[in-house]
Amino acid sequence: EVKLVESGGELMSPGGSLRLSCAASGFVLTSYDMNWVRQAPGKGLEWIAYMSGSDGIIYYADSVKGRFTISRDMNSLYLQMSSLRVEDTAIYYCGRDLPCTSTSCYTAIDLWGQGTLVTVSP
Amino acid sequence: QSVLTQPPSVSGAPGQRVTISCAGSSSNIGSGFPVHWYQHLPGTAPKLLIYADNNRASGVPDRFSGSKSGTSASLAINGLQAEDEAEYYCQSDDSSLSRLFGTGTKVSVL
Repeated sequence: EVKLVESGGELMSPGGSLRLSCAASGFVLTSYDMNWVRQAPGKGLEWIAYMSGSDGIIYYADSVKGRFTISRDMNSLYLQMSSLRVEDTAIYYCGRDLPCTSTSCYTAIDLWGQGTLVTVSP
Repeated sequence: QSVLTQPPSVSGAPGQRVTISCAGSSSNIGSGFPVHWYQHLPGTAPKLLIYADNNRASGVPDRFSGSKSGTSASLAINGLQAEDEAEYYCQSDDSSLSRLFGTGTKVSVL
């Protein structure tokens, strides 16, 4: 079965560090472009990080740049979070981009995990 | 910071047609970046409905359709059903190398 499973979310204090994991099964993670997306309580979806499958190019949202680091190995995607803030409280999802066709690549996320909750509270 | 603006809520009776707008700018939708649409139920993973403006994702009923013009895009749901009650998000890219999600629209079935 093709799926993504996130883990690592927990209750943290401001200023702390945490690493989230996203385990991929049924496909080779390094062959796909991957993302982290979060949803704060009562808010909408927010894209926060991207890593390309072919060459490992990385992009971040301004809200996490310099504090969060996306990385991967053969089977898992990671999000290293540091200098955590109360406003980082959210459900964190990993997501896989649609596979490229012979002519086009699209930045649509077609496979999502169920999410892991990170709570940052004094 | 770039924003994709959606109406907070839309509603309709079963069987009706509803549309959700997604207003962007010249730095995102207006630059030709494709628009994608997702359905999200609380406590579940978001589901891709439409990719690249008007292409239905695998298994998505043809009641769902997408369109784009200028700096805006729209999602239409024909023949509204109770199971369509959910939050819907548009998504596109921005010339700043970031991805943007819309503000989200709650669809209610009356």
